[in-house]
Amino acid sequence: GESVGLHLPTLSVQEGDNSIINCAYSNSASDYFIWYKQESGKGPQFIIDIRSNMDKRQGQRVTVLLNKTVKHLSLQIAATQPGDSAVYFCAENLGSQGNLIFGKGTKLSVKP
Amino acid sequence: GAVVSQHPSRVICKSGTSVKIECRSLDFQATTMFWYRQFPKQSLMLMATSNEGSKATYEQGVEKDKFLINHASLTLSTLTVTSAHPEDSSFYICSASQGQNIYGYTFGSGTRLTVV
Repeated sequence: GESVGLHLPTLSVQEGDNSIINCAYSNSASDYFIWYKQESGKGPQFIIDIRSNMDKRQGQRVTVLLNKTVKHLSLQIAATQPGDSAVYFCAENLGSQGNLIFGKGTKLSVKP
Repeated sequence: GAVVSQHPSRVICKSGTSVKIECRSLDFQATTMFWYRQFPKQSLMLMATSNEGSKATYEQGVEKDKFLINHASLTLSTLTVTSAHPEDSSFYICSASQGQNIYGYTFGSGTRLTVV
């Protein structure tokens, strides 16, 4: 289930299940979005990106869905594995500005 | 793939001293580098954006005289935390950008700063 902790919401899933992590972004003018995975004590690791002219993009075991109408982004992880346990952040980029704005993050815990 | 090296990974310093953190793009030229700060269980907060050869642009609330950023070359940016205090203890992360593509935002491994 999903719960909200002191700062980070947490999603707990069973190994092998699919995971869906959601993100609400802030700026309707953002045109590029990225999902990052961050393990404890490390920098963010690129997972998948999507541009605003698309509503779905698939990678290896991951799918990103973009709903611009409601400013919502989701990351789907198929057959979740213990190694997927980490904090996941969505990030948005406002065109030529260059800098990324990060969402609050979701901690994914995978139970073996 | 694009690699960004950040050094040191951990540093402990005394209050009042200064600490320098380096961020290097190893196999590409980074026209822009970004510095973020991350407190425990929180998201990354952008501190400043630096372009090679020009002054950094700081986000609101970030003291430019305390967090000195130098981006002297297309492969190196440094962040110096001057006169560090315990409240500056945090995880500092750099990111280097070539533009908006798959390699557009590559992050360093972060620096854990502890001020005692």
